[in-house]
Amino acid sequence: EAGVVQSPRYKIIEKKQPVAFWCNPISGHNTLYWYRQNLGQGPELLIRYENEEAVDDSQLPKDRFSAERLKGVDSTLKIQPAELGDSAVYLCASSEAGAKYFGPGTRLLVL
Amino acid sequence: GESVGLHLPTLSVQEGDNSIINCAYSNSASDYFIWYKQESGKGPQFIIDIRSNMDKRQGQRVTVLLNKTVKHLSLQIAATQPGDSAVYFCAETSGSARQLTFGSGTQLTVLP
Repeated sequence: EAGVVQSPRYKIIEKKQPVAFWCNPISGHNTLYWYRQNLGQGPELLIRYENEEAVDDSQLPKDRFSAERLKGVDSTLKIQPAELGDSAVYLCASSEAGAKYFGPGTRLLVL
Repeated sequence: GESVGLHLPTLSVQEGDNSIINCAYSNSASDYFIWYKQESGKGPQFIIDIRSNMDKRQGQRVTVLLNKTVKHLSLQIAATQPGDSAVYFCAETSGSARQLTFGSGTQLTVLP
């Protein structure tokens, strides 16, 4: 069974540039999450989707971050414009009930 | 605010020994707990979970213990192997919130 798929795995951009991350959750999982993980820390929730609806985006910096999950399956997370402090690993996770399963993450470096 | 924390940032054990990783949480409403293993360059990998109506749950080589009285969670790994070297996170959530709160992680190093 395929796990959560994310792309790209790595991204290096200059500050003020836009960047987008893509996630394909585990088949059948209605709940999708985007997390940000800084070095040496645990993941922090950015946004949670139930199907195509964003039900918890309270931690998403809405001035520069946006996300969508138009058909309730794949999701994209965008940052525009990126800042130096956005350098982190961006993790996507999905769940049906109970445990959340994470993708490998996208490692973003903003120069 | 509510938080989940780990007692020790690093833990080194000899191969073959048992490992115990501890975690304290402060949200008394937490009712579901998960242990994750994260290897370098990878996302967190689910290890084992436990609900608050239980105090012990066993998996393959791993056991999670929950003490709700003192808000303490532990992960026991039997016969620790080199492949167990990773950062281990405990995480908790409560009721319908479904927001998973992670601790800062414990780096487990298995010595040959």
